[in-house]
Amino acid sequence: NAGVTQTPKFQVLKTGQSMTLQCAQDMNHNSMYWYRQDPGMGLRLIYYSASEGTTDKGEVPNGYNVSRLNKREFSLRLESAAPSQTSVYFCASSEEARETQYFGPGTRLLVL
Amino acid sequence: RKEVEQDPGPFNVPEGATVAFNCTYSNSASQSFFWYRQDCRKEPKLLMSVYSSGNEDGRFTAQLNRASQYISLLIRDSKLSDSATYLCVVNLVTGNQFYFGTGTSLTVIP
Repeated sequence: NAGVTQTPKFQVLKTGQSMTLQCAQDMNHNSMYWYRQDPGMGLRLIYYSASEGTTDKGEVPNGYNVSRLNKREFSLRLESAAPSQTSVYFCASSEEARETQYFGPGTRLLVL
Repeated sequence: RKEVEQDPGPFNVPEGATVAFNCTYSNSASQSFFWYRQDCRKEPKLLMSVYSSGNEDGRFTAQLNRASQYISLLIRDSKLSDSATYLCVVNLVTGNQFYFGTGTSLTVIP
């Protein structure tokens, strides 16, 4: 099992560009999450999907959109990137909400 | 006020030492508690869940104090491989959001 995979690993964008971060899990988990991690801030939840077909805002959703494409895949879209979105983005999944989360390797994003 | 607060450290300890980390949480409705470990430039990985009665896994012991709203992690006989950042995580019973502390950095010195 690959667990949780994310693509791309690294990305450089110019302000105003758009991109989609991809996440997939092969553990048949119901819940999936997107976090960002910034120095001194800890991980902060952007969006989550408690089950296939549902998505909800987390702590810092502004500037992002998500799609739960199917049970395996949960994508995060930046419609118009801003320098404040420079961060490390982690996707995670759990069998059910409030249970142990398993993280992907992260995407390092730099917005110039 | 942050939901979860940790002393960022860094903690620099010699091999074989015992080290303890504390973490406080602000919401008394917090239901689930975890310690995660994060190596430099890697993803967080579950170290252990924290149960009301306390739990132990080898050299690691986790405790929960609901009255004072803190959880602790004790590492005995520290190894070089224990060097990492340790993240405290809590979850509220009413929602699906997990709240992460900023992490405590540990370096074990030969």
